[in-house]
Amino acid sequence: EPEVTQTPSHQVTQMGQEVILRCVPISNHLYFYWYRQILGQKVEFLVSFYNNEISEKSEIFDDQFSVERPDGSNFTLKIRSTKLEDSAMYFCASGTSGRSGEQFFGPGTRLTVL
Amino acid sequence: KQEVTQIPAALSVPEGENLVLNCSFTDSAIYNLQWFRQDPGKGLTSLLLIQSSQREQTSGRLNASLDKSSGRSTLYIAASQPGDSATYLCAVYSGTYKYIFGTGTRLKVLA
Repeated sequence: EPEVTQTPSHQVTQMGQEVILRCVPISNHLYFYWYRQILGQKVEFLVSFYNNEISEKSEIFDDQFSVERPDGSNFTLKIRSTKLEDSAMYFCASGTSGRSGEQFFGPGTRLTVL
Repeated sequence: KQEVTQIPAALSVPEGENLVLNCSFTDSAIYNLQWFRQDPGKGLTSLLLIQSSQREQTSGRLNASLDKSSGRSTLYIAASQPGDSATYLCAVYSGTYKYIFGTGTRLKVLA
């Protein structure tokens, strides 16, 4: 069964460094998402992406964050200058329909900022 | 603004009990609702998806119901087992291109 994959599973970085989290969505999906979950807190929406542009973003998704679909198969989340509070589990999701469809979630990347 | 609440926050039951987890949401104009399981430090495992036109979905020992008009969903787990111990998350999709998650119910099933 097709699934969303994410790499790496765990990333450790120093504060101020740039990180890129990678996701490979399910191949026929057109809608892509990033969520994050700070330890002990809710899963929160970051950004949705369709047709090579951002559909919606939350207030968390500030200028330090960017998303890209560089090659038609990968979907990346870049954090330009990481802060301690960026430490979280980041989940990628993909779906076939923006308005009413199901989203399929990847296993997550745990980001630790030291 | 859609808000999702899950009650109870934590639950501890002896093995074999049937139990009910509750999820409530403030805006009834939803497209679907999904229940997930999350083991400590791990990802999200989708358990059941209920479309807005459906009243319930079943998978094995799990049954999820949806009452859109009252803004409620329940996840029923029959004959609970220690392996069911995890956090259960409810997420609501309102067509604003994102899921809104509840804070979850931490379930512990005692052997």
